Amino acid sequence: EAAVTQSPRSKVAVTGGKVTLSCHQTNNHDYMYWYRQDTGHGLRLIHYSYVADSTEKGDIPDGYKASRPSQENFSLILELASLSQTAVYFCASSDGDYYEQYFGPGTRLTVL
Amino acid sequence: GDKVKQSPSALSLQEGTNSALRCNFSIAATTVQWFLQNPRGSLINLFYLVPGTKENGRLKSTFNSKESYSTLHIRDAQLEDSGTYFCAAEATSSGQKLVFGQGTILKVYL
Repeated sequence: EAAVTQSPRSKVAVTGGKVTLSCHQTNNHDYMYWYRQDTGHGLRLIHYSYVADSTEKGDIPDGYKASRPSQENFSLILELASLSQTAVYFCASSDGDYYEQYFGPGTRLTVL
Repeated sequence: GDKVKQSPSALSLQEGTNSALRCNFSIAATTVQWFLQNPRGSLINLFYLVPGTKENGRLKSTFNSKESYSTLHIRDAQLEDSGTYFCAAEATSSGQKLVFGQGTILKVYL
């Protein structure tokens, strides 16, 4: 069974609308991450979390918020979606720094 | 410049042949992960490395932290090896967060 799941798997949103991407992990990991992948490129870190009810900014946090209501769940929120946020978004979990990260299947977001 | 640079950017291999992919780091990497992104877009964990070498079936990977590089060797390439290979490094300068390379697109043909 997949240990990191994401929903939805794909979404079309309108410019200026609110988008929430959800991630759920059953690895019992403390750390969770959100990345974006643009076509033909590697992944870049948006937000991450060490513990429930706390989030940290990654390398490209502008335009995104994150929420970690429990150890298992981590959400990425786009309050005002923009065209430039069209990308594939990946969630991951790990036991911490110096530990392997495990990725979800990704969410393809298209903003029109 | 790129903190994690992969080469080559793309590669075509005939089935049954061998090849090597490389990552060079301009950051002081402490650990390295290699992933295969399959045609469906999923990221498959291949290796997690501290300095040293690991082997799994037809794949072998080495991480040399002193010379700031990592390699992924593919032996007896198969059609299902096709996809995009990413390396990613953790470094103190990145707060121990993964920094990804841009990927190597591998196509294996008959």
